[in-house]
Amino acid sequence: DADVTQTPRNRITKTGKRIMLECSQTKGHDRMYWYRQDPGLGLRLIYYSFDVKDINKGEISDGYSVSRQAQAKFSLSLESAIPNQTALYFCATSDLRDRDDNEQFFGPGTRLTVL
Amino acid sequence: GQNIDQPTEMTATEGAIVQINCTYQTSGFNGLFWYQQHAGEAPTFLSYNVLDGLEEKGRFSSFLSRSKGYSYLLLKELQMKDSASYLCAVNRGYSTLTFGKGTMLLVSP
Repeated sequence: DADVTQTPRNRITKTGKRIMLECSQTKGHDRMYWYRQDPGLGLRLIYYSFDVKDINKGEISDGYSVSRQAQAKFSLSLESAIPNQTALYFCATSDLRDRDDNEQFFGPGTRLTVL
Repeated sequence: GQNIDQPTEMTATEGAIVQINCTYQTSGFNGLFWYQQHAGEAPTFLSYNVLDGLEEKGRFSSFLSRSKGYSYLLLKELQMKDSASYLCAVNRGYSTLTFGKGTMLLVSP
């Protein structure tokens, strides 16, 4: 079984709709991250969380919100989706106790299309 | 701001050696990661350099010069399956990574 899972894997929605992307992990890591990836722009950090009570904005948090429901679950919401939020979204986890400080482990990605 | 530069695309031939460069100017530096990402898939860890010098892992090696803000990933004995994007990422501390835009490597027969 995959250590980091994301649901859904693909989603097509319409402008103005609310949508939630979910991430679950069985690695026991405290730290979780949401990124988006666009062609030519690389991976950009949206939000990150170091434990259930800790939420931090990344470089492109506008238009997004997150919820850390449990150590193993971190969800990303688009309150009112717009076409320029069409992208590939990745969840990642890390464990500071890892030898390679902050090596991040990525989920399989969610391809989101906003029409 | 944070600046991480990599070539956009590179091409090489099966069996050859290729070097992918990464230069960075960031506020804070704890180390530098290289990730491999096949099209439509998740990035996967290749290497992590904290100190200056070369680290070798099989066909892949990674080099870091902190004084020059420079790293490279060296891939030897290229195989078709090495066709992928290679992402350079700086660990700036605060347990977050800043990624470059990636280098798309195409390996031809």
